[in-house]
Amino acid sequence: EVQLMESGGGLVKPGESLTLSCAASGFNFKNAWMSWVRQASGKGLEWVGRIKTVSDVGPTDYGAPVKGRFTVSRDDSKNTLYLEMNSLKVEDTAVYFCATEVELGGRSVPLYWGQGALVTVSS
Amino acid sequence: DIQLTQSPPFLSASVGDRVTITCRASQGISTNLVWWQQKPGKAPNLLMYAASTLQTGVPARFSGSGSGTEFTLTISSLQPEDFATYYCQQVDGYPRTFGQGTKVDIK
Repeated sequence: EVQLMESGGGLVKPGESLTLSCAASGFNFKNAWMSWVRQASGKGLEWVGRIKTVSDVGPTDYGAPVKGRFTVSRDDSKNTLYLEMNSLKVEDTAVYFCATEVELGGRSVPLYWGQGALVTVSS
Repeated sequence: DIQLTQSPPFLSASVGDRVTITCRASQGISTNLVWWQQKPGKAPNLLMYAASTLQTGVPARFSGSGSGTEFTLTISSLQPEDFATYYCQQVDGYPRTFGQGTKVDIK
C-alpha cells in the first residue's frame, strides 16, 4: 500500500524558512516522480512543484508564486521528499500535500497523496 | 502558464440530478486533463484522466469529455457521497495548473 506522510509543518514568521518532509513507503520511491500541491484554508488547489527521478533528465519545475523561494529535493536512500521554503510570506499559509506521480494516459499524474502538513506564516 | 477556468463555482443539486461541470483552458491541451474530487479535510481523489478515462474504482455515473480547450465532467445521477468540490487540472505542461473548483452541495 502506498503511504505518504508529511511532517515539519508549523507556525513561522514572514521571512523565515521551513522545510517539510514527506516519508514514502509501499512503492519504488527512487523510480517515482514526486510533487507538492498546497491548499489555503477554504481555497482551491495550487500546484507547487515536481521533481523527477535522479536518472531522468530535466529540471525540477515550480509554480510561479514559489519559484526562486522554494526548493524540492529528494533523498532516495531515505525514501523521503523535501520542500525547503525560504522567504516565507503570509500568502504561503496552506496545507501542503506531497504526492507520487504515475503515468496515466501518457502523462504524469499525482495519483497518491499524503494527508497534508499545515504551514502557517504569521507575525 | 496555462489557465483553467471552471464553471460554475458553486452548484446546488438534489440526489438523482444530472450535473455538468465545465473546464476551459487558455490554450489547447489535447486531452491532457484530469478531474479530481475533494471532500473537506481530505486529499483529492482522482476521478478521470486523459479527459474521459475513468480511474479504476470510480463509479460509472461519472463521465468526462472534451479536447483542446473545452472539457466537461458529468455526474449522471448525483448520489449523497458525490457532494464535494471538483477540480480540473491540466497535465499538458509545466507548471501544472488547477481550475478554481466547483463546489457541489445539497439543494
